[in-house]
Amino acid sequence: DTAVSQTPKYLVTQMGNDKSIKCEQNLGHDTMYWYKQDSKKFLKIMFSYNNKELIINETVPNRFSPKSPDKAHLNLHINSLELGDSAVYFCASSLKGSGFQFFGPGTRLTVL
Amino acid sequence: AQKITQTQPGMFVQEKEAVTLDCTYDTSDQSYGLFWYKQPSSGEMIFLIYQGSYDEQNATEGRYSLNFQKARKSANLVISASQLGDSAMYFCAMREGRKASGGSYIPTFGRGTSLIVHP
Repeated sequence: DTAVSQTPKYLVTQMGNDKSIKCEQNLGHDTMYWYKQDSKKFLKIMFSYNNKELIINETVPNRFSPKSPDKAHLNLHINSLELGDSAVYFCASSLKGSGFQFFGPGTRLTVL
Repeated sequence: AQKITQTQPGMFVQEKEAVTLDCTYDTSDQSYGLFWYKQPSSGEMIFLIYQGSYDEQNATEGRYSLNFQKARKSANLVISASQLGDSAMYFCAMREGRKASGGSYIPTFGRGTSLIVHP
């Protein structure tokens, strides 16, 4: 059974387009995260939601907008895609206060 | 300053040998947690092991053990009897006692160590 799932797994798009990545977890966790992993494998947190409320918003261009319709879902919408947005985006979830994070399989975004 | 430092960008080990991956951390919190994750070439992030700052015993999970030296602020991962399937990137991570609003801890990851296991 999938614990944290992301769609799509691969996303290839042109510069300037708008795209979304979806994330769902069935672990009953109340906190979800988006991370960006660059080509050098550096993993940086972008956002975190707890019970649908935004609690972490790191220095990320406001072209990136997360949306959490409920505790089990956290989607990431990216406007006006740029070449530098090419990366692997990971969704993760945890229980508040635990720090144990379970990661999704990642979405490899390539901007041409 | 980096909160998590992994000084070994790449490591090589012979199959069946043990290997230690270094991790040092920086925090002024008394309560914190340390994690190791494995990322194989397929890309997923796999949780390996956790050590709480108040845990007196070093954490162990099968062939993985965490050599926790609190005074030195180090949390090295030891993999015993390396297998070819252990070849991967390994990330050390920390969650500090400082919470974001809502009560969740803000996690920090190191830059990773690439481990290659030779037959």
